[in-house]
Amino acid sequence: GQQLNQSPQSMFIQEGEDVSMNCTSSSIFNTWLWYKQDPGEGPVLLIALYKAGELTSNGRLTAQFGITRKDSFLNISASIPSDVGIYFCAGQKTSYDKVIFGPGTSLSVIP
Amino acid sequence: EAGVVQSPRYKIIEKKQPVAFWCNPISGHNTLYWYRQNLGQGPELLIRYENEEAVDDSQLPKDRFSAERLKGVDSTLKIQPAELGDSAVYLCASRGTGRAYNEQFFGPGTRLTVL
Repeated sequence: GQQLNQSPQSMFIQEGEDVSMNCTSSSIFNTWLWYKQDPGEGPVLLIALYKAGELTSNGRLTAQFGITRKDSFLNISASIPSDVGIYFCAGQKTSYDKVIFGPGTSLSVIP
Repeated sequence: EAGVVQSPRYKIIEKKQPVAFWCNPISGHNTLYWYRQNLGQGPELLIRYENEEAVDDSQLPKDRFSAERLKGVDSTLKIQPAELGDSAVYLCASRGTGRAYNEQFFGPGTRLTVL
């Protein structure tokens, strides 16, 4: 079963606002990943994190690998309508292990 | 470059009927994955192929699910017979040789509804 928890489960924000979401695990992961899934499409990798404490950006997105190795955070700055979708965190125990996905955070942006 | 192709995109069947899904990975990608995504959940791995060999099928319910990748290129996932709880999106993904395990490219999925 799923080993990851994401919060919030869903969020509705105004265009231009910043967004924060997080992911926690009961066990340690050595790789943390963030994906976005648009309706009717498969997930697309946004950011990969490989080191505890690491902070990585991809445009308006910034993700952090928690120092306990049991959590990760994703921030989106100045949200725009195309940010709408479901954001999944995912983890790997090792780089050669399967990817385990969280349940997702659904983001809605109100123009 | 074409992405991962899956067909059909949607399938509605009655319980106890068989169903099959097809996936064509990105050209040259040796690793192919099948995932199941239940409503409101993230994808869960069913099976991973390295070329034509199934190297991780521990999550595949083998009593009713089967998969094949005979020539190491495209793959078929079958359910026989389907049950109500099999309603989900079935995603295929592929990865290039030597690429990191997380560099998977997903197809659009097949949405299965079992009535």
